[in-house]
Amino acid sequence: AQSVTQLGSHVSVSEGALVLLRCNYSSSVPPYLFWYVQYPNQGLQLLLKYTSAATLVKGINGFEAEFKKSETSFHLTKPSAHMSDAAEYFCAVSDGGYQKVTFGTGTKLQVIP
Amino acid sequence: DTGVSQDPRHKITKRGQNVTFRCDPISEHNRLYWYRQTLGQGPEFLTYFQNEAQLEKSRLLSDRFSAERPKGSFSTLEIQRTEQGDSAMYLCASSLDGYEQYFGPGTRLTVT
Repeated sequence: AQSVTQLGSHVSVSEGALVLLRCNYSSSVPPYLFWYVQYPNQGLQLLLKYTSAATLVKGINGFEAEFKKSETSFHLTKPSAHMSDAAEYFCAVSDGGYQKVTFGTGTKLQVIP
Repeated sequence: DTGVSQDPRHKITKRGQNVTFRCDPISEHNRLYWYRQTLGQGPEFLTYFQNEAQLEKSRLLSDRFSAERPKGSFSTLEIQRTEQGDSAMYLCASSLDGYEQYFGPGTRLTVT
């Protein structure tokens, strides 16, 4: 069975500060890992994905994530937060089969002006 | 590319009524997924279609739930005899290769 754990249901950062959202995964096979963003009353948008290529993955809107197998982690970072980054972020894992995706419980990011 | 669309966006129904939601995937995508998202939770997998074949159903999908994808194009999700616990956001996603899923805006169901 696969699962993800997102540490911190709410994270607050100042505008211009580093964003760090934590995600740890569990998977019995080499995982595929994803970060999605969800704005209020909208669907999910893929930020970035790891599919066993480079361990440092760059995504949209200046976000990136690093796959660390030894730590079973896939933390999301952005060097400088923008007000428009305020949203809910979901880490997700797939076992690479037909790509059934298991999501974490989400982290709401607040950006303080 | 018009994206994944879902209809309706909001549905309010009384307990015991039947409801049906529609999802139109991106036209060339052969894979279609339904998820349910409750407040404060991430989306939970409900079912998966490859073309018109329904290949997996979650245990979350009770006998009151049924999904179809005739001709491998749009899909419908029907809930019979709705219960208050069915109140949630129902999300549809489509994919060409399975690695990248494109989500629709969701249908928010409220059962009173």
